[in-house]
Order: sequence, then structure tokens, then C-alpha cells
Amino acid sequence: EVQVVESGGGLVQPGGSLRLSCSASGFIFSNFWMGWVRQAPGKGLEWVANIKQDGSETYYVGSVKGRFTISRDNAKNSLYLQMNSLRVEDTAVYYCAREGPAADSDYWGQGTLVTVSS
Amino acid sequence: DIQMTQSPPSLSASVGDRVTFTCRTSQNIGNYLTWYQHKPGKAPKALIYAASHLRSGVPSRFSGSGSGTDFTLIISSLQPEDFATYYCQQSYRTPPYTFGQGTKLEIK
Repeated sequence: EVQVVESGGGLVQPGGSLRLSCSASGFIFSNFWMGWVRQAPGKGLEWVANIKQDGSETYYVGSVKGRFTISRDNAKNSLYLQMNSLRVEDTAVYYCAREGPAADSDYWGQGTLVTVSS
Repeated sequence: DIQMTQSPPSLSASVGDRVTFTCRTSQNIGNYLTWYQHKPGKAPKALIYAASHLRSGVPSRFSGSGSGTDFTLIISSLQPEDFATYYCQQSYRTPPYTFGQGTKLEIK
């Protein structure tokens, strides 16, 4: 059974940092692009970032470029999101998702809540 | 970035109704479009990929169509478990893979 499980969310002050992790199982992790999607309170889904199978390509939404870094460790079947210079507007549930062949997010985790507040 | 416009923003319907959701993109994306269902507190669920292909395990009352810039998701006969928010997402060429703003489907 395919599973992705996020962790690492919490409360952080503006300007602070947080690292999210996503542990994957039930599929060959190194064969798939992986990504992060977020949902701010009362808002819709927002695509955040994704990373190629071998980590050689990464992409970001404009609002997080230069502040967030996506990475992966295929030996550990794990995906990460390092978030620096956090802003109040980064408050959201962050989902880890596997990308299928059509670049659709075919499996999602339950999400981890990040709250940026003083 | 490619802009996505979903309509309507919300929709009220009854069990058994046929409902139609629309998604329009700011440029031609071929068939690189996915539809998702999202319920509060749950992980989003992919329903349709490549504009018209039903994902395994998704009931056949869901169908998708369209290409280019105009896309449609239809639920042929609403069931109680279908009340949720529905999103479209484009995955054309280089990211960011933008989502529409969603259509909230509510019980009439």
C-alpha cells in the first residue's frame, strides 16, 4: 500500500525556520517525482515545490523561491522541505504528494500544520 | 505562470442530481489537467488525470472532458459522500503546477 506521512510542523515565529519531512513507503521512491502542496486556513490548494527522481531538478512557486528548499534522500525514502525566513502568510497545512506519470499528485499524506505567529 | 479559473465558486445540489464543474486555463495545456476531491481534514484525492482518465477505484459517475483551455468535470448522479470541494490543477511543461481556486459542492 502506498503511504506518505508528513512530520515536522509546528508553531514558529516570523523570520524563523522549520524543516518538514515526508516518509514514503509502498512504492519505489526513487522512481517518482515528489512535491509539496499547501492549504492556508480558509483558502484553496497551492502548489509549492517539486523535485525530480534523482534530485537534479527542483521547482518552486514564486512566493517561496529563495526561502524554501526541497530535497530528498532516496536511501531513506524521504522528502524534505526546509523553510527559512518564514512569514505569517506561510501558515498552512503542508501536504507531501507523489507525482504520477501525468505529473498529477496521485498519493497524498494527511498533512502537517505550520503556524507562523508571534 | 498559467492561471486557472474554476466556476462556479460554490454549488448547491441534491442527492441524485447531475452536476458540472468548469475549469479554464490562461493558455493551451493540451490535456495536462487533473481533478481532485478534497474533504475537510482529509488528504486530497485525485479523481481524473490527463483531463478524461478516471483513476482506478474512482466511481464511474465521475467523468472528465476537455482539452486546450476548457475542461469539465461531471458527476452524473450525486451521492452523499460526494459533497466536498473540487479542484483542477494543470501540470503542463515546467512548474509551477497551479491549482484552480476550487468549487465547493454543498447539500441543497
